[in-house]
Amino acid sequence: KAGVTQTPRYLIKTRGQQVTLSCSPISGHRSVSWYQQTPGQGLQFLFEYFSETQRNKGNFPGRFSGRQFSNSRSEMNVSTLELGDSALYLCASSLAAGTTEAFFGQGTRLTVV
Amino acid sequence: AQKVTQAQTEISVVEKEDVTLDCVYETRDTTYYLFWYKQPPSGELVFLIRRNSFDEQNEISGRYSWNFQKSTSSFNFTITASQVVDSAVYFCALRMDSSYKLIFGSGTRLLVRP
Repeated sequence: KAGVTQTPRYLIKTRGQQVTLSCSPISGHRSVSWYQQTPGQGLQFLFEYFSETQRNKGNFPGRFSGRQFSNSRSEMNVSTLELGDSALYLCASSLAAGTTEAFFGQGTRLTVV
Repeated sequence: AQKVTQAQTEISVVEKEDVTLDCVYETRDTTYYLFWYKQPPSGELVFLIRRNSFDEQNEISGRYSWNFQKSTSSFNFTITASQVVDSAVYFCALRMDSSYKLIFGSGTRLLVRP
């Protein structure tokens, strides 16, 4: 059974540009969540999607957005990139809420220069 | 508000030593779930263990064991006979019922020296 796949693994962008990250969850999982990991702030929740609907959103500016497709694949978009957006972006898929564990991809490391 | 605290920033042990990672959580909810994840240098968060708030039975799984105490809001994780491959950052996380959102602690970096 394939795990969570995130593409690309590494990305270098220039300040002011926009970027799109992709996440394919484990087959059968309908929930996808996104997290940002930085040395200063640690792991912070961005948003979660279930059946193409955003159910919850973290405390991030509107430059961060996402969507989920009918096949449960999800994309995350960051517009007008800032240096502080440099981070490891992790995607997690879950079968259900609450008790079930979340399985993470290897992440996309974004560097903004 | 919910919060997870991992007071130990970094721990260094010699191989075969036992090591305990501490985790303290805050929540007013009565139903919640606690997790431990391991993050090796590759970056992927690897699920280790899960405990439900209504089940305080502590268990052992191979070299891993955990001690969940609701009275002190703690969920500590122990690795017995540590190995070099255990070197990683370990995160404790909290999740509310009916939610997918994980609230992570700041992580504890474990270094196991040969």
